Amino acid sequence: DQQVKQNSPSLSVQEGRISILNCDYTNSMFDYFLWYKKYPAEGPTFLISISSIKDKNEDGRFTVFLNKSAKHLSLHIVPSQPGDSAVYFCAARGGATNKLIFGTGTLLAVQP
Amino acid sequence: NAGVTQTPKFRILKIGQSMTLQCTQDMNHNYMYWYRQDPGMGLKLIYYSVGAGITDKGEVPNGYNVSRSTTEDFPLRLELAAPSQTSVYFCASSRSGQGFGYTFGSGTRLTVV
Repeated sequence: DQQVKQNSPSLSVQEGRISILNCDYTNSMFDYFLWYKKYPAEGPTFLISISSIKDKNEDGRFTVFLNKSAKHLSLHIVPSQPGDSAVYFCAARGGATNKLIFGTGTLLAVQP
Repeated sequence: NAGVTQTPKFRILKIGQSMTLQCTQDMNHNYMYWYRQDPGMGLKLIYYSVGAGITDKGEVPNGYNVSRSTTEDFPLRLELAAPSQTSVYFCASSRSGQGFGYTFGSGTRLTVV
């Protein structure tokens, strides 16, 4: 049972345009949501997070939106750059042990 | 500051062999985790630890064992390797109680033939 879902395996956008990556979850007890970025042959790196009590968090070109009623979050990257090309994982935290449950990832390709 | 260090980076095992994947962190993080990443499947939690001497199972613990004798080290042991354990393994650490995410190692790519 996949509690965190990323339904788009891949996304291609033009440099300078907006990239929108989506994530759905099923467990209403998740208290934090995070996005990770992964380049080939490297470990994932933390990008941005949002608490379940907020609906938006912004960090430079990256903004995460949370819609709790729809159990949906999205990552917006504006403007997109070729260096943003990577796999993006959505993750959710469900307890005091800080265990994260990851989605299957979305491969973003930003075309110059 | 090295962060999370995993060794080896690559390994080929024969069916039935055993090995230990090493993981060391130098950030004095209490929590440590082992994940595996299979193509198209995201990252699945194998085992985790909330401190030295304390470990617990994640989603996919079968075929693996862990120990946590020190804060810094969290080795993952594979006994009787099977082709289904072919994967990329990531170790991660975090401070307790924070939602700011993990620091990951660069991974170990394991092939069982």
